[in-house]
Amino acid sequence: AQSVTQLGSHVSVSEGALVLLRCNYSSSVPPYLFWYVQYPNQGLQLLLKYTSAATLVKGINGFEAEFKKSETSFHLTKPSAHMSDAAEYFCAVTGTASKLTFGTGTRLQVTL
Amino acid sequence: GAGVSQSPRYKVAKRGQDVALRCDPISGHVSLFWYQQALGQGPEFLTYFQNEAQLDKSGLPSDRFFAERPEGSVSTLKIQRTQQEDSAVYLCASSPRGMSEETQYFGPGTRLLVL
Repeated sequence: AQSVTQLGSHVSVSEGALVLLRCNYSSSVPPYLFWYVQYPNQGLQLLLKYTSAATLVKGINGFEAEFKKSETSFHLTKPSAHMSDAAEYFCAVTGTASKLTFGTGTRLQVTL
Repeated sequence: GAGVSQSPRYKVAKRGQDVALRCDPISGHVSLFWYQQALGQGPEFLTYFQNEAQLDKSGLPSDRFFAERPEGSVSTLKIQRTQQEDSAVYLCASSPRGMSEETQYFGPGTRLLVL
């Protein structure tokens, strides 16, 4: 079975500051890990995913994440926050089954 | 190309009514997933189809929930005798082959409110 824990249900950063959203996973098999973003009243959009090819994964909108097996982590980062980054972010995992198991989400607020 | 579409976008039902939620996946996508997202929570898996075959329905919360995909494309999620706890956003996603490493493409969701 797989599970994901997202630390911090709300994160607030200033525009231009570093964004760090935390995700730790638990999996009995090698995991595939995903970060999705959800804007209000919209579905989820993939930011990036880890599929065992490279531990540092670059995604859309300047986001990246690093898979660290020793820490069972897949934290999402962006060097400089924009106002348009304000949204809900979900970390998710799959394993042998293709269904996604999501974390509870982190709401990112970006202030001027 | 067109993405995943869902209808209706909003549905208000009285407790005890039956509802049907529709999902049109990306053309050619073999796999289709349904998820339920309660307010303030992450999506939770309901059921999964590979073509017309329902391979996993372990997430359906009760026998009031039923899903079908008779021709391997459009899918319908039906909820019978709706209860207030069924209020949530129902998300549909599709993927090309259903492999674990594939991206799932999500629709905008149907927001169900049961009064």
